[in-house]
Amino acid sequence: GQQLNQSPQSMFIQEGEDVSMNCTSSSIFNTWLWYKQDPGEGPVLLIALYKAGELTSNGRLTAQFGITRKDSFLNISASIPSDVGIYFCAGQSYNNNDMRFGAGTRLTVKP
Amino acid sequence: NAGVTQTPKFQVLKTGQSMTLQCAQDMNHEYMSWYRQDPGMGLRLIHYSVGAGITDQGEVPNGYNVSRSTTEDFPLRLLSAAPSQTSVYFCASSYEGITEAFFGQGTRLTVV
Repeated sequence: GQQLNQSPQSMFIQEGEDVSMNCTSSSIFNTWLWYKQDPGEGPVLLIALYKAGELTSNGRLTAQFGITRKDSFLNISASIPSDVGIYFCAGQSYNNNDMRFGAGTRLTVKP
Repeated sequence: NAGVTQTPKFQVLKTGQSMTLQCAQDMNHEYMSWYRQDPGMGLRLIHYSVGAGITDQGEVPNGYNVSRSTTEDFPLRLLSAAPSQTSVYFCASSYEGITEAFFGQGTRLTVV
């Protein structure tokens, strides 16, 4: 089946630092999404990407849909304490309603 | 605006018991889905529905049943609970397709 490999598994950074995480797959996806999950809550959509090569920003967050359609990255600039949480990538392929999730990147921001 | 509401938030079952996890959304979304979240494995799709009366299997459907009699509700049934079904369950809905889903707050289920 389709597997998403998300890295790193966890990150410990200082407030103000930039963060980068990525997701790769052995299969092609036509949609890539990035979600954030706070403790005790469901995931919340951050950014959705629909075209290979697409670069999309949402405030301090920037995500890109890889040209090969097999990868995506998420950058967070100037991190703040409320960025703490688990970030998930997710992908969906053509003619398939099965959305696959990565295992998540746990982000800790030290004030 | 309630969004996606899941009940209960916590549940402990004995092996072999049955129960239904409830999910309701008030956004008039056609697509609804159920995921389970296990440590280190992200979310995995159990079942999904593209509209009232239509359901289909996801990645890990065994041991679970669903039905969709109304647009608003999408219950998940465990017919005979097993310890392997200990997990956090999330219901999600979306306007078009399974992407860009809005998630509920989750149900933490423990099977002993």
